Amino acid sequence: DGGITQSPKYLFRKEGQNVTLSCEQNLNHDAMYWYRQDPGQGLRLIYYSQIVNDFQKGDIAEGYSVSREKKESFPLTVTSAQKNPTAFYLCASSGLAGFNTGELFFGEGSRLTVL
Amino acid sequence: QKEVEQNSGPLSVPEGAIASLNCTYSDRGSQSFFWYRQYSGKSPELIMFIYSNGDKEDGRFTAQLNKASQYVSLLIRDSQPSDSATYLCAGRTGANNLFFGTGTRLTVIP
Repeated sequence: DGGITQSPKYLFRKEGQNVTLSCEQNLNHDAMYWYRQDPGQGLRLIYYSQIVNDFQKGDIAEGYSVSREKKESFPLTVTSAQKNPTAFYLCASSGLAGFNTGELFFGEGSRLTVL
Repeated sequence: QKEVEQNSGPLSVPEGAIASLNCTYSDRGSQSFFWYRQYSGKSPELIMFIYSNGDKEDGRFTAQLNKASQYVSLLIRDSQPSDSATYLCAGRTGANNLFFGTGTRLTVIP
């Protein structure tokens, strides 16, 4: 089945540690995104990538880093510089058709909790 | 600042009724709008998109766009308990990014 796979689904981190969230897609989509969702809030864009080896900061990129070495993969690292990292993280992708319709295909999400 | 505002609710309607979800946006350059449904603990899924003034219907769902008033709405007819979820409104201004509202939680009471 085609889709987006995020891992881990749940992650606990101690303060001061970096963690990396995995996102893999087999939809052959060019564009990939990372969003953060906090309780009672909408989705806020962290980073996005429209092509391999290129990515752009979103609205809340501070304290995060990404890479796009392969079309299928767009991992997100939450660094110790992120002051309030506890949140639900969603990875999404879209293809050319998605650019026109705006449809984003989302993974199941990763819930990060800082202890 | 691109903003999308939604009435946060929660909104409760009886089964079979019409649920009306509303959204306003501040950027007149916004070109298209999207409604996503998100069940608790799950990821969002696209219900409808609209980019022309007027109504767009898909089954029990109708999206409405009024660019002059900067207003977008989603009507759900014959609401079912399975429609209970948070509905996210999003806008796009030509770039490849969507700006999401905070969502409206809908509960359909059997």
